[in-house]
Amino acid sequence: AQTVTQSQPEMSVQEAETVTLSCTYDTSESDYYLFWYKQPPSRQMILVIRQEAYKQQNATENRFSVNFQKAAKSFSLKISDSQLGDAAMYFCAYRSAEIGRDDKIIFGKGTRLHILP
Amino acid sequence: EPEVTQTPSHQVTQMGQEVILRCVPISNHLYFYWYRQILGQKVEFLVSFYNNEISEKSEIFDDQFSVERPDGSNFTLKIRSTKLEDSAMYFCASSEGDRATYEQYFGPGTRLTVT
Repeated sequence: AQTVTQSQPEMSVQEAETVTLSCTYDTSESDYYLFWYKQPPSRQMILVIRQEAYKQQNATENRFSVNFQKAAKSFSLKISDSQLGDAAMYFCAYRSAEIGRDDKIIFGKGTRLHILP
Repeated sequence: EPEVTQTPSHQVTQMGQEVILRCVPISNHLYFYWYRQILGQKVEFLVSFYNNEISEKSEIFDDQFSVERPDGSNFTLKIRSTKLEDSAMYFCASSEGDRATYEQYFGPGTRLTVT
């Protein structure tokens, strides 16, 4: 079974600084997607960024980028120029892309990110 | 931009009561999901639904739970006899397709409190 592990329950960063959230996962599949979701206090789940496992290039969305290390099964999220609005719970997540496999999303336990003004 | 909506935003019920949580998926989506998040814990998959049938369900989704698409727009989660441990945030999601290339769009959630 696939698992997603986030070892940092909480992190803090100064406004305008850069922070990296860690995530590791375990799978025997070769075709899958990885995601970072943001959950602000409103509790809405917002997709921040996604990475396709067969793509070697790391995904980037504005101030958000990932460091995808497939062999190490590591998928970290870097937030540059942190803003107060980035304060939220961040979930790393996995989804199989193999035909005939489950299409559910498997989430990690989350990292709560605090932005210090 | 189309979005998934859920009602109510907060539901309080007494233990043993039945509750129905409602979701309106994005209109051209065909695949529907329920996830649950107990306070302070990770989001967990409950069930997926396509073509008026359950596609997959987790071990959490026992006989107390059922899902239905009663009409062309709503997707509901029913808990027959609520327990204290059912208190959680329930998220509905929908997707155009079941492959991971299709994003699952989440609703804002319904907070269920069982007293």
